[in-house]
Amino acid sequence: DAKTTQPNSMESNEEEPVHLPCNHSTISGTDYIHWYRQLPSQGPEYVIHGLTSNVNNRMASLAIAEDRKSSTLILHRATLRDAAVYYCILRDRGNYQLIWGAGTKLIIKP
Amino acid sequence: DTEVTQTPKHLVMGMTNKKSLKCEQHMGHRAMYWYKQKAKKPPELMFVYSYEKLSINESVPSRFSPECPNSSLLNLHLHALQPEDSALYLCASSQEGRSADTQYFGPGTRLTVL
Repeated sequence: DAKTTQPNSMESNEEEPVHLPCNHSTISGTDYIHWYRQLPSQGPEYVIHGLTSNVNNRMASLAIAEDRKSSTLILHRATLRDAAVYYCILRDRGNYQLIWGAGTKLIIKP
Repeated sequence: DTEVTQTPKHLVMGMTNKKSLKCEQHMGHRAMYWYKQKAKKPPELMFVYSYEKLSINESVPSRFSPECPNSSLLNLHLHALQPEDSALYLCASSQEGRSADTQYFGPGTRLTVL
């Protein structure tokens, strides 16, 4: 089964870019890569997703390696409100199941 | 409106009680999900409803009983729970359950079983 590996925690300074890595070396050709984040005492919140190409939205950018065995979530200018647990997730086409990583706790220092 | 609401926010129950968790969405989504999340762990999928029919039951004990009365509502009936069932229970919905669909999560119900 495909799985994702993420660092347990990362620290960054406020207003600096943050690069959150994720390894998914067993990814299959039909797996989408999703990122969600969970702020304290809240449910998870969608951040971004992609299949093969890099993606940008108003929250973040997703850089996907050419071989798709890893990806990086990029927050361009972190704020204190971005402090959360960030989950890298694989989702197979035609399957409801999200394969969640253990998550990276992002700590933002003022 | 991209909101999924869950009630109650907190629930404390004894092992002999019967209680229900409620989830509601008005985004016209046709797939709804129940997840269980223990502290410092990612959510674990319990059930999926697609077009009001149970599509996935991830080997959940029968003391958890889901119900989808209509396309906007999802209930989770609880009976004879164990202390290890204490967790955050999250509801989510998505357009149709396709792999590229975004799942929208509610804030969860914090359940404590005494």
